[in-house]
Amino acid sequence: GESVGLHLPTLSVQEGDNSIINCAYSNSASDYFIWYKQESGKGPQFIIDIRSNMDKRQGQRVTVLLNKTVKHLSLQIAATQPGDSAVYFCAENVGGSNYKLTFGKGTLLTVNP
Amino acid sequence: NAGVMQNPRHLVRRRGQEARLRCSPVKGHSHVYWYRQLPEEGLKFMVYLQKENIIDESGMPKERFSAEFPKEGPSILRIQQVVRGDSAAYFCASSPSPISSGNTIYFGEGSWLTVV
Repeated sequence: GESVGLHLPTLSVQEGDNSIINCAYSNSASDYFIWYKQESGKGPQFIIDIRSNMDKRQGQRVTVLLNKTVKHLSLQIAATQPGDSAVYFCAENVGGSNYKLTFGKGTLLTVNP
Repeated sequence: NAGVMQNPRHLVRRRGQEARLRCSPVKGHSHVYWYRQLPEEGLKFMVYLQKENIIDESGMPKERFSAEFPKEGPSILRIQQVVRGDSAAYFCASSPSPISSGNTIYFGEGSWLTVV
């Protein structure tokens, strides 16, 4: 069964606010995690990734936090913009499988102007 | 999406027909992956190929589905005798080497199959 899941299926924020999207995983052997953004009718777009030897990684306006103790992953988006509206997926790569990603169901982020 | 090209973008097939989906990976990438996405769900792994080899097809139905990645040309995902349950978005991804070696995978824009 799925080992990656999301706490909130939908998230609505005001433009300019910060957004936090959460993801739980159950496989302690997972050693690589990716956040993807998917707009309607398009493919998943890579946002940021993190390996299990790190607990934080920052990109442009995005930060991923990894808490291996509680098997939790989060994506923080600073100063959310209308263009950030999309479905966000976390995906994990279970150690031992150097190619297969397991995706959660996704969180729909809606940014209100 | 790093240049992974998929075609057709949209395909309509009647039940019983064949669907053939093509994927050209990023230039220089020899690792190709196919995923399927049902409406309002996450992507599900189907198959992983390297040039001329199927490495893992554990996520692909054993009947009617096949995949190839020939030495020359695009990767092909073929679905024979399609049924309504095959209606989904099919995404191809590629990478220069496996994920464990420090590379991530980039997805194409997908092929939306509708079976009527």
